[in-house]
Amino acid sequence: GAVVSQHPSRVICKSGTSVKIECRSLDFQATTMFWYRQFPKKSLMLMATSNEGSKATYEQGVEKDKFLINHASLTLSTLTVTSAHPEDSSFYICSARDFRWERPQETQYFGPGTRLLVL
Amino acid sequence: AQKVTQAQTEISVVEKEDVTLDCVYETRDTTYYLFWYKQPPSGELVFLIRRNSFDEQNEISGRYSWNFQKSTSSFNFTITASQVVDSAVYFCALGEGYGGSQGNLIFGKGTKLSVKP
Repeated sequence: GAVVSQHPSRVICKSGTSVKIECRSLDFQATTMFWYRQFPKKSLMLMATSNEGSKATYEQGVEKDKFLINHASLTLSTLTVTSAHPEDSSFYICSARDFRWERPQETQYFGPGTRLLVL
Repeated sequence: AQKVTQAQTEISVVEKEDVTLDCVYETRDTTYYLFWYKQPPSGELVFLIRRNSFDEQNEISGRYSWNFQKSTSSFNFTITASQVVDSAVYFCALGEGYGGSQGNLIFGKGTKLSVKP
């Protein structure tokens, strides 16, 4: 249990286009999902916290208009990188918290990540 | 401010050696949570363990063991008889107390473990 999927796993796009990344909790409902960014050989940096049915909370320095987050259901959150540029190339990882009573609520379960390359 | 320090950037060992990955944290919260995640070359983060601040019991799971010491704000991870499959980047993370908080995780910079045959 507590499986999180991401799609696509890898995407290459041209500069100026928009890319949508999906994050799904497969066997549980996630009222809160998180989006992280990881540069090569670096740690994970939290970009935003996504709560179902409300606006995402962005970390300082993260452009809201560039990284659009939608959390329309309890099992799906999407991150759209708008007008992507080469500097947006990175590894994007989502995570979700499982609020079932038998699960430790503070544990985040991570998706497999999406590698974005902007040419 | 909350902070997680993994002082070891890279560790290289030979198979069957024991290895300890260090993690030191800083927090003002009285209730907090500590985690270890493994990130193999494929990139997916694998949850290994979660520890509450009020539970200082050490834990052993197979070849893995964790030593939580509140007095030194450390949560070290030991792999006994390491195997090549243990090669990965290991992240220590600190979570804010639950109870209305967002539950953000603050990650250390990670320790890359290479286990050679």
